[in-house]
Amino acid sequence: LAKTTQPISMDSYEGQEVNITCSHNNIATNDYITWYQQFPSQGPRFIIQGYKTKVTNEVASLFIPADRKSSTLSLPRVSLSDTAVYYCLVGDTGRRALTFGSGTRLQVQP
Amino acid sequence: GAVVSQHPSWVICKSGTSVKIECRSLDFQATTMFWYRQFPKQSLMLMATSNEGSKATYEQGVEKDKFLINHASLTLSTLTVTSAHPEDSSFYICSAKDRLSGNTIYFGEGSWLTVV
Repeated sequence: LAKTTQPISMDSYEGQEVNITCSHNNIATNDYITWYQQFPSQGPRFIIQGYKTKVTNEVASLFIPADRKSSTLSLPRVSLSDTAVYYCLVGDTGRRALTFGSGTRLQVQP
Repeated sequence: GAVVSQHPSWVICKSGTSVKIECRSLDFQATTMFWYRQFPKQSLMLMATSNEGSKATYEQGVEKDKFLINHASLTLSTLTVTSAHPEDSSFYICSAKDRLSGNTIYFGEGSWLTVV
């Protein structure tokens, strides 16, 4: 299983762009990279998923370099409601469950 | 996105009793569902993988006789905590993979269990 490393916490202000980087040096060929957001007492919410290069949806962008050993979740213009824990997960979900690391606790200040 | 629903959202039970938590995929079929538990301020810990029509696969250290998992249909998996004790109090979360669309796993809202 690919192990992931993320910063434990980050602070930002409303309106700023936030980039959270995750390293996964032993990512396997069939592994996808998925990011989830979790608020207290709620289940994780799917944000974005990618395999390589760049993926963008209505809430975030995911940047994956060619070697796929890291990935960066980019949240444009964060608001107070983006305060949450963000998890980077790497795995072949066709074969195995996803294993959670410690996540990144993002605190957005006014 | 796909919806995974858990019931109940929270439950309080007495020590020694059993409690069942349901996990349903509302708009897709899930041959595989996963159960996690999460203690306050900690990350999610995988407990078991539930496969429709077959026995669940438990992670190391998780007692299969205490945490009974049944996945009787493509849209329902249940977790029964038997002979619950206060240390079983936790946030239990299920997730499911759409059998038709590959790689994305969706999570339920979670269920708070308090054993008194």
